[in-house]
Amino acid sequence: GALVYQYPRRTICKSGTSMRMECQAVGFQATSVAWYRQSPQKTFELIALSTVNSAIKYEQNFTQEKFPISHPNLSFSSMTVLNAYLEDRGLYLCGAREGANTLYFGAGTRLSVL
Amino acid sequence: QQQVRQSPQSLTVWEGETAILNCSYENSAFDYFPWYQQFPGEGPALLISILSVSNKKEDGRFTIFFNKREKKLSLHIADSQPGDSATYFCAASANYGNEKITFGAGTKLTIKP
Repeated sequence: GALVYQYPRRTICKSGTSMRMECQAVGFQATSVAWYRQSPQKTFELIALSTVNSAIKYEQNFTQEKFPISHPNLSFSSMTVLNAYLEDRGLYLCGAREGANTLYFGAGTRLSVL
Repeated sequence: QQQVRQSPQSLTVWEGETAILNCSYENSAFDYFPWYQQFPGEGPALLISILSVSNKKEDGRFTIFFNKREKKLSLHIADSQPGDSATYFCAASANYGNEKITFGAGTKLTIKP
């Protein structure tokens, strides 16, 4: 079956530092990957949508300079949160799909910032 | 603005009853509506979905009723079980799911045994 693995599951970083999270698709080809942030106040916020062989599209309020994303092949994607601050706390979810099929989510990376 | 709205924010029903979760949307271009189920500490998992060309979709105890004219849909969970206790997210996208998926704020469902 189709699975999406995210790691680390939890991470804590000091304010102003950066952390990288990874997403691995198993059992299907992740032609597109969507990175979301889930927080109690704002439910699911789409950060960016990455489609293989296309430019990564960032949503309003999110930039490549702050959340650089890599999607080098059909099974892997990574995102870095640069200069993390308290407002960046939340559960970061990777959703991957093959074509127009079901969007599968990983369990998320929970980011805490001290 | 919130393009996908869900109500109620939380819902408690007794085991065996039917839980009804509501969702409405604003964007007429939305034509694909997945519902996701999320347990604490886990990522959301697709439960059931419907395309706007249909007005009803059933999968076991789960049924979506869709009203395109009113831009409303609802998820009915029949014979609810304690294991159904979770947060349910209504989502929507355009172009039969090829566009980005927009999520509602979720309904936290609790099933009392």
